[in-house]
Amino acid sequence: QVTLRESGPALVKPTQTLTLTCTFSGFSLTTSGLSVSWIRQPPGKALEWLARIDWDDDKYYNTSLKTRLTISKDTSKNQVVLTMTNMDPVDTATYYCVRLVVEDYYFDYWGQGSLVTVSS
Amino acid sequence: QSALTQPPSASGSPGQSVTISCTGTSSDVGGYNYVSWYQQHPGKAPKLMIYEVTKRPSGVPDRFSGSKSGNTASLTVSGLQAEDEADYYCSSYAGSNMGVFGTGTKVTVL
Repeated sequence: QVTLRESGPALVKPTQTLTLTCTFSGFSLTTSGLSVSWIRQPPGKALEWLARIDWDDDKYYNTSLKTRLTISKDTSKNQVVLTMTNMDPVDTATYYCVRLVVEDYYFDYWGQGSLVTVSS
Repeated sequence: QSALTQPPSASGSPGQSVTISCTGTSSDVGGYNYVSWYQQHPGKAPKLMIYEVTKRPSGVPDRFSGSKSGNTASLTVSGLQAEDEADYYCSSYAGSNMGVFGTGTKVTVL
């Protein structure tokens, strides 16, 4: 079955760079039409799409955060990595790794989420 | 990309129906049949409930249904049950290989 799991620091300091790793199983990111996205949710607030990387290595970013985000994949390890620079307390959120079916644009499998707090 | 607009809350008694709206623009909801809906219980990850406006993934009860008219999509939960109490989010493709989520609706079963 398809599973995704996020890993990374629970606490980062302002101005630091956050690196999150998504390790997935049950599918390959070489399969045409599949993508892995990062989505975040500040406490008590709505979901926000951050970035995605597709089976063909195409990458797309939230326009508002584009300058701070980098997404990459290691298909041999079934991993997707997201880095976010210059972290700020407003970036405190649960970060989800999610599989996206590109052709019909829906998120069918979600990781459990990783809470990241930005505080000095 | 601006978030899609959802009512903050909705409620109904057990057995009743509740409908949640999701309003966007002709650049997202109105322009594509790629609207999906997600259910999120407290402390849990969202779960896909509806995709491509009206389709239900395997395992989702047929009490959940989706529709769209113009720039507004809707999710209807019929025969409300206690376990339907959750937050619901809509999502739409918005062109240029990007999408947008809704503001979220808290559904309360009275």
